[in-house]
Amino acid sequence: DVKVTQSSRYLVKRTGEKVFLECVQDMDHENMFWYRQDPGLGLRLIYFSYDVKMKEKGDIPEGYSVSREKKERFSLILESASTNQTSMYLCASRNRNHQETQYFGPGTRLLVL
Amino acid sequence: AQSVTQLGSHVSVSEGALVLLRCNYSSSVPPYLFWYVQYPNQGLQLLLKYTSAATLVKGINGFEAEFKKSETSFHLTKPSAHMSDAAEYFCAVSGDTGFQKLVFGTGTRLLVSP
Repeated sequence: DVKVTQSSRYLVKRTGEKVFLECVQDMDHENMFWYRQDPGLGLRLIYFSYDVKMKEKGDIPEGYSVSREKKERFSLILESASTNQTSMYLCASRNRNHQETQYFGPGTRLLVL
Repeated sequence: AQSVTQLGSHVSVSEGALVLLRCNYSSSVPPYLFWYVQYPNQGLQLLLKYTSAATLVKGINGFEAEFKKSETSFHLTKPSAHMSDAAEYFCAVSGDTGFQKLVFGTGTRLLVSP
């Protein structure tokens, strides 16, 4: 059974803190994605990685960075958390072919106070 | 650029009634289209996808969708709603040039009443 796991389901952080969100997939997928989900806005792509050590900005990369040192792991970093980064964060992975399904993790609900 | 429009942020049906969730897309190239479902406090799960084979696509849990190029639509239907279908549904499009990311609609929340 395919599996994408995220390090935390719920997270509470203070403004200005550095926040790490981890995502691990066990399907040997080349592509990995980070989205944020907000009511009424759907899913918006923050960053993606098409292979190890590769990263590309998505539609809303400001305030975020990513790291992909190993194929199975894709980390999202909030360098200095702000209240407008309170959101649900979803990680996904996919084989390199864009017809393929993206598999999603359960999400991390982040609250920045 | 690609885009997806989902008409209706909320749709309410009675148990046993027809479910119809609307999705219209815009794409400059032949699209690949997806429907995902999100149950409360969970990630997204694929319901079905269209990848240029048959225009009528059958998915899990009795859902199906029909690709209509002339109408640029990919509406999701289910003949008889069940209480367990209550969830948020997202339509997504892929297939444009470049890396071919998925572009999601804003979602439709399906409410099912007894």
